[in-house]
Amino acid sequence: GQNIDQPTEMTATEGAIVQINCTYQTSGFNGLFWYQQHAGEAPTFLSYNVLDGLEEKGRFSSFLSRSKGYSYLLLKELQMKDSASYLCAVLDSNYQLIWGAGTKLIIKP
Amino acid sequence: ETGVTQTPRHLVMGMTNKKSLKCEQHLGHNAMYWYKQSAKKPLELMFVYNFKEQTENNSVPSRFSPECPNSSHLFLHLHTLQPEDSALYLCASSQEGPFSYNEQFFGPGTRLTVL
Repeated sequence: GQNIDQPTEMTATEGAIVQINCTYQTSGFNGLFWYQQHAGEAPTFLSYNVLDGLEEKGRFSSFLSRSKGYSYLLLKELQMKDSASYLCAVLDSNYQLIWGAGTKLIIKP
Repeated sequence: ETGVTQTPRHLVMGMTNKKSLKCEQHLGHNAMYWYKQSAKKPLELMFVYNFKEQTENNSVPSRFSPECPNSSHLFLHLHTLQPEDSALYLCASSQEGPFSYNEQFFGPGTRLTVL
């Protein structure tokens, strides 16, 4: 079966750096998405990786290793507003989007 | 209005009621989606419409009935629901579909409680 694994919850300190991991086992691969979802709000797109390597976008970076079935989202200079759930999703060979259950990130002052 | 809007934001209904959820996208997209989001579970894709035509129905019970009158509007008609149907129902749209590398734009969701 197809599977996306990410930690259920993480805690980090304001101003610090946090890395949220995502591992996947899917039938084929056509890219990996990260979305951010604040409590009670819509998920919003953060990044899309289809090639190996690191994509940087301001304080957020996303890394992909296709050979390892692994991605991470790196958040730097954490702010209180970064408290949210972070959803990992993989586009498989049939272009079906397979979602992880999300990682709830708690930022403490 | 911009983006993807959903109404109502909250809905409480009895198991014998009939209600409808509405979604509207103001982005000129061609594909629209209904998802169910339950606590600590992955998003569950329910229905996909591409150019108003339904392309996916992921084994969703018939008590959920979608309707897509045009590329901008999507409805989810609900009848004789069960308490386990209580969840956040998210609508999304994307430029191309039904599935592609295009990002999906989500609405804020309808929090549904079935008593």
